[in-house]
Amino acid sequence: DGGITQSPKYLFRKEGQNVTLSCEQNLNHDAMYWYRQDPGQGLRLIYYSQIVNDFQKGDIAEGYSVSREKKESFPLTVTSAQKNPTAFYLCASSPGTGGFQPQHFGDGTRLSIL
Amino acid sequence: QKEVEQNSGPLSVPEGAIASLNCTYSDRVSQYFFWYRQYSGKSPELIMSIYSNGDKEDGRFTAQLNKASQYVSLLIRDSQPSDSATYLCAVRGGGADGLTFGKGTHLIIQP
Repeated sequence: DGGITQSPKYLFRKEGQNVTLSCEQNLNHDAMYWYRQDPGQGLRLIYYSQIVNDFQKGDIAEGYSVSREKKESFPLTVTSAQKNPTAFYLCASSPGTGGFQPQHFGDGTRLSIL
Repeated sequence: QKEVEQNSGPLSVPEGAIASLNCTYSDRVSQYFFWYRQYSGKSPELIMSIYSNGDKEDGRFTAQLNKASQYVSLLIRDSQPSDSATYLCAVRGGGADGLTFGKGTHLIIQP
């Protein structure tokens, strides 16, 4: 089945620890995105990538890092510099880079602080 | 800073009636508009997209866009209890950057 796979579904972080959220897609999509959703809020863009080995900061990139070494993979690292990491993290992809291209989401990862 | 505004609700609509969800946006260069449905605890699911002024229909759903008024809406006809969810409005400029989302409207369809 084609789709976007995020893992793990739930993740707990200790103080001072970096954690990495996985996002894999087998849709052959060029563009990939990471969003954060806090309770009762809309989604906010963290990072996005239009092509392998290139990525751009979104609105709330501080405390996060990404890589795009393969077309199908776009992992997100939540670093210890992110002081309020508890949120629902959503990865999305779209077929191309045109503004009209719809974005489709994975099932998300819920991150909490221990 | 782009802003997308939605009434958070809850919006309560009787089963079988028309649900009307509204969204306004601040950035005049926004060109592409999307509606997502999100069930509690789940990820957003794309419902409709619209790019041109006017109406676009898909089954029970109709999206309406008025760029002059910076306003986009979603109508759901013959509302069903399964339509109960949060509906997120998202907008985008002409580039390949991400979407800007509103906070969503919580819709409740009463049986």
